[in-house]
Amino acid sequence: QSALTQPRSVSGSPGQSVTISCTGTSSDVDGYNHVSWYQQHPGKAPKLMIYDVSKRPSGVPDRFSGSKSGNTASLTISGLQAEDEADYYCCSYAGSYTYVFGSGTKVTVL
Amino acid sequence: EVQLVESGGGLVQPGGSLRLSCAASGFTFSSYWMHWVRQVPGRGLMWVSLINPDGSITGYADSVQGRFTISRDNAKNTLYLQMNSLRAEDTAVFYCVRDTSDFSFDYWGQGTLVTVSS
Repeated sequence: QSALTQPRSVSGSPGQSVTISCTGTSSDVDGYNHVSWYQQHPGKAPKLMIYDVSKRPSGVPDRFSGSKSGNTASLTISGLQAEDEADYYCCSYAGSYTYVFGSGTKVTVL
Repeated sequence: EVQLVESGGGLVQPGGSLRLSCAASGFTFSSYWMHWVRQVPGRGLMWVSLINPDGSITGYADSVQGRFTISRDNAKNTLYLQMNSLRAEDTAVFYCVRDTSDFSFDYWGQGTLVTVSS
């Protein structure tokens, strides 16, 4: 159960797009279409942004989108806004009633 | 309104035990899978454990397997995490989390801090 690999940080100017990768293995990301993404602002609990690779919960802006190719999932934020500055974590079901989170990515809006 | 309120955190010596509780309200607790997720302050999230609605299925991260036990009391709308043989590396904020039924987590408590230190 090693953490999924995410870049430590990504940055972009307002209005630009940024993409966060999440690399796992055949036992997690590549084995199931159950990748989710969470946004966490400092001092706050995480918030679900994407589930089942690409589905958005009600209330999440359509600027947030998810995809997957093989053992790598991705979260794209289009039209970056100041309030998108936060930490982002991917998470995958890993079989046998277990889950694994990513290492986390800090998104900075320049 | 869905609410998850954790309690039971605190300072414990290495090798000691602690039981966390999570009081749930605002939804039909007995219908949902529930999880514990922890986070070292300033660090990343780590999934710890899950339990199915009737308590018959549990799952654990390798690092806590055999030391931690998750359970629930649906009559009391409460989730528990019994933590034994605690280690310094277990120091973290522990979150009680509701499963969406779509392999993701939609509601999180505010967290309770567990500090393992002599």
